[in-house]
Amino acid sequence: GAVVSQHPSRVICKSGTSVKIECRSLDFQATTMFWYRQFPKQSLMLMATSNEGSKATYEQGVEKDKFLINHASLTLSTLTVTSAHPEDSSFYICSAPHRLAANTDTQYFGPGTRLTVL
Amino acid sequence: GEDVEQSLFLSVREGDSSVINCTYTDSSSTYLYWYKQEPGAGLQLLTYIFSNMDMKQDQRLTVLLNKKDKHLSLRIADTQTGDSAIYFCAPASGGSYIPTFGRGTSLIVHP
Repeated sequence: GAVVSQHPSRVICKSGTSVKIECRSLDFQATTMFWYRQFPKQSLMLMATSNEGSKATYEQGVEKDKFLINHASLTLSTLTVTSAHPEDSSFYICSAPHRLAANTDTQYFGPGTRLTVL
Repeated sequence: GEDVEQSLFLSVREGDSSVINCTYTDSSSTYLYWYKQEPGAGLQLLTYIFSNMDMKQDQRLTVLLNKKDKHLSLRIADTQTGDSAIYFCAPASGGSYIPTFGRGTSLIVHP
């Protein structure tokens, strides 16, 4: 199946610093990628849709100046958490749609990035 | 928007069958996915069913869809300890492929 990677897998940073998370589709191209956030024992919350060549679309309640998204190429999207604070600590997961069957796309997920802000 | 409900925990003995249930609210859900998440990992697509199907079987996995009641279930036959994980029901509504996730069911398999 399609493979999506994320880097880094785990990051610990001090409050006030910025952290960049990369999401790559390894064997397919993705004009759109999605960023999710997951709290412990909770569901995945869609944060934003990353669009290659244009601005990201953010879900209601997600601060676009806080979570900067850049879709630099057809295989790479980055999420930068700016001026991170402890409440930003979470598990961030990206996904990319890929053709599953005729007329059907599905999401393939990256392995996630655990962000801990001290 | 879509609401997805799942029971939070299910405990079974190794070798038994597991049945994970899910209810959703959007009747226009077209694709209904089941994902598996192991601790500290991303989501792995397990199986899926289209809304025009009632049942789909894929090796040890059987998906049942009751579209009238908006109820989806995942049955795992001969459950193994390696099946211990969180299972997410994720319908995609309105003909889109962007799923909505429930809180997931944590499956615990006892030896």
